[in-house]
Amino acid sequence: EAEVAQSPRYKITEKSQAVAFWCDPISGHATLYWYRQILGQGPELLVQFQDESVVDDSQLPKDRFSAERLKGVDSTLKIQPAELGDSAMYLCASSREVNTEAFFGQGTRLTVV
Amino acid sequence: KNEVEQSPQNLTAQEGEFITINCSYSVGISALHWLQQHPGGGIVSLFMLSSGKKKHGRLIATINIQEKHSSLHITASHPRDSAVYICAVCGGSNYKLTFGKGTLLTVNP
Repeated sequence: EAEVAQSPRYKITEKSQAVAFWCDPISGHATLYWYRQILGQGPELLVQFQDESVVDDSQLPKDRFSAERLKGVDSTLKIQPAELGDSAMYLCASSREVNTEAFFGQGTRLTVV
Repeated sequence: KNEVEQSPQNLTAQEGEFITINCSYSVGISALHWLQQHPGGGIVSLFMLSSGKKKHGRLIATINIQEKHSSLHITASHPRDSAVYICAVCGGSNYKLTFGKGTLLTVNP
């Protein structure tokens, strides 16, 4: 069964270091989302891609976060430098098009120490 | 006020009980999702609906667009149903998903 792949599953990093997460969406899915979920809260959208283009990054802290989806397939989310408050679950999701069912990956749990 | 409100926040039930989780939203939407998240795990999509009712196994989801309200029901609950259930609404020009804070369900044997 097709699924959204994310790596790594877990990441521990020291503050001020750089960290990167990778997401491979379901084949054929044009829309890709990165969400951040702080413990006890619902996910919040960081960035939404339609193919290789960013359609919404209004909640992305652009001073330290960057995201790319160069060929419109897999995507990378980077944080540099990481801060203690960045500790959270980072979830990737994809859908065939906007307004169709979204499928989520297992997430990357980031701990910044 | 959050655009998506879920109730209850926490729910404990005995195995076999009928469970209802509610979701109210304040914005116009094109669709509503019910999602399940096990502790430390990723999110699984249970339902996406824009009207009426959907059923999958022991799970039933309903939505009333006029009242801006949806419910997720679990019949004959089981300990393996223990998870966080999240309501998310899809709306806006880019069909952005807005999530509720989730309902933590614990089903005791």
